[in-house]
Amino acid sequence: GENVEQHPSTLSVQEGDSAVIKCTYSDSASNYFPWYKQELGKRPQLIIDIRSNVGEKKDQRIAVTLNKTAKHFSLHITETQPEDSAVYFCAANYIPTFGRGTSLIVHP
Amino acid sequence: DAGITQSPRYKITETGRQVTLMCHQTWSHSYMFWYRQDLGHGLRLIYYSAAADITDKGEVPDGYVVSRSKTENFPLTLESATRSQTSVYFCASSPDRNTEAFFGQGTRLTVV
Repeated sequence: GENVEQHPSTLSVQEGDSAVIKCTYSDSASNYFPWYKQELGKRPQLIIDIRSNVGEKKDQRIAVTLNKTAKHFSLHITETQPEDSAVYFCAANYIPTFGRGTSLIVHP
Repeated sequence: DAGITQSPRYKITETGRQVTLMCHQTWSHSYMFWYRQDLGHGLRLIYYSAAADITDKGEVPDGYVVSRSKTENFPLTLESATRSQTSVYFCASSPDRNTEAFFGQGTRLTVV
């Protein structure tokens, strides 16, 4: 089955800085890579996703890049704001297999 | 209300008891999933279903049973609860393969 590794487990940045979270996956057949944000006490919600026929996708301050050859994908958040503080999960495969999560803390 | 809902939101049960967590979605999504969330482990898949009457094991199925007699419902049963099953359980659904999963509010289960 699929195996997803996510790093770092914790990321602390100052407001306005950029944040990057990286994931690797094992199954070369995977072709859907979503990212979810989970605020404290809430349910995970999709923030952006990418499919294997695309190398990069942007939505305002967030972007995701995918390198299928190396089997890794990354989430980039620019101009971070305190409301970006949350746990972020990457996933791969049509039956979502999740990484262990990254706790992002944005200091005002 | 439209969406995906879980019940109960909170549950305390004793070791050895059977407990069922309910999940209901109003979208007629084909796929439904059960995950457990534990600190340091992220979201781990327990069982999933691709359609009514079709279920399959995920990463951590031991001690759990599921059924899906109707498209909209996907109950999760702990046959004989153990303390290691104390966790937050999330149900999710998606309309098709390789599409967004929509999560329920979660059920916090404590086994004492």
